[in-house]
Amino acid sequence: AQTVTQSQPEMSVQEAETVTLSCTYDTSESNYYLFWYKQPPSRQMILVIRQEAYKQQNATENRFSVNFQKAAKSFSLKISDSQLGDTAMYFCAFARGAQKLVFGQGTRLTINP
Amino acid sequence: KAGVTQTPRYLIKTRGQQVTLSCSPISGHRSVSWYQQTPGQGLQFLFEYFSETQRNKGNFPGRFSGRQFSNSRSEMNVSTLELGDSALYLCASRTGLVSGANVLTFGAGSRLTVL
Repeated sequence: AQTVTQSQPEMSVQEAETVTLSCTYDTSESNYYLFWYKQPPSRQMILVIRQEAYKQQNATENRFSVNFQKAAKSFSLKISDSQLGDTAMYFCAFARGAQKLVFGQGTRLTINP
Repeated sequence: KAGVTQTPRYLIKTRGQQVTLSCSPISGHRSVSWYQQTPGQGLQFLFEYFSETQRNKGNFPGRFSGRQFSNSRSEMNVSTLELGDSALYLCASRTGLVSGANVLTFGAGSRLTVL
């Protein structure tokens, strides 16, 4: 079974700083998808970014980018120029094809003014 | 385009009762998944429905059940509630069951408290 591990339960940075959230996963599959979801205090989960394992290029969405290291089974999220609205729980998730998403335990990120 | 709508948003039940939660997916989305979120266990997959059929099921007891209607709306039911069932229940929809359509859009959740 696939597992996803987020080793940082909580992180806190100052506004405008860059922060990196870590995620590792365990799988024997070669084709899969990785996701970062954000859950603000309002509770609605929002997709931040998706990475397809067969793509070498790291996915980027505005201030959010990932560092995907397939051999190391690592998938970190970098948030540049952090904003107060980035305060949220961040979940890393794995999916094999169209199968269910397996989530990590989450990282609570606080952006301080 | 309306998002994923879950009702009710909050509810309080007592042990032994049953509860039904509802989820209306995004228009055009035919797959609906349910997740349970608790501080201790995190996000755990309950089940997924597509075209009124359960396609995947997580490791939950039979007290947890669900169904999907012809308009893709879904309900989940928990019978004989236990204190440990207190959780945020999240519904998510996606267009289908192919790899390219595996992005889930979540609702705001239903917060269940069991006393």
